[in-house]
Amino acid sequence: DAKTTQPPSMDCAEGRAANLPCNHSTISGNEYVYWYRQIHSQGPQYIIHGLKNNETNEMASLIITEDRKSSTLILPHATLRDTAVYYCIVSKGFGNEKLTFGTGTRLTIIP
Amino acid sequence: EAEVAQSPRYKITEKSQAVAFWCDPISGHATLYWYRQILGQGPELLVQFQDESVVDDSQLPKDRFSAERLKGVDSTLKIQPAELGDSAMYLCASSLAPGQGHEQYFGPGTRLTVT
Repeated sequence: DAKTTQPPSMDCAEGRAANLPCNHSTISGNEYVYWYRQIHSQGPQYIIHGLKNNETNEMASLIITEDRKSSTLILPHATLRDTAVYYCIVSKGFGNEKLTFGTGTRLTIIP
Repeated sequence: EAEVAQSPRYKITEKSQAVAFWCDPISGHATLYWYRQILGQGPELLVQFQDESVVDDSQLPKDRFSAERLKGVDSTLKIQPAELGDSAMYLCASSLAPGQGHEQYFGPGTRLTVT
């Protein structure tokens, strides 16, 4: 699986959009980009995934660059409950491929 | 909403003792995973089951760890004997059969402290 690089920490003001970057320059054509988050003392939670196109669901939006070497997770209106560690993971997908977690980005939402 | 169940939530044991964790995946999920998460790090896969068969246990320390999923439903992870370095969060996750979905659903985890 391709390796990902994320900033170790970020702050965002409550109510603003949180933009979390991820580099995955060695991603291959059949690999998906997944985002999970882990709120303190809980198990990770799936947020969103994408292959080539930008994706949006009720939690977030995922923007993937045209060359697929990087992506950005956008939380449009961050709340205090969005404070968590966010993991960007590249995997072949369909839920049956192991997830290789890095150390993620610790996002702190500031009141 | 269906959830992955794990027990116990917390376990304190002395080194050299045996310890076991239990996981009940979401009904109908064919794939089950055990991950270990050391404080400050991301989870690391220990073992993956497809129904009752192990498909990946390359990172499982087989001299002391064992895992089973006898009927292809719930699963048990055992450590014998426990060592101080085994202190970690043990997470169970499940997903649909290959090709049927992308998402892994995680349980709340079992936090193990070895003294």
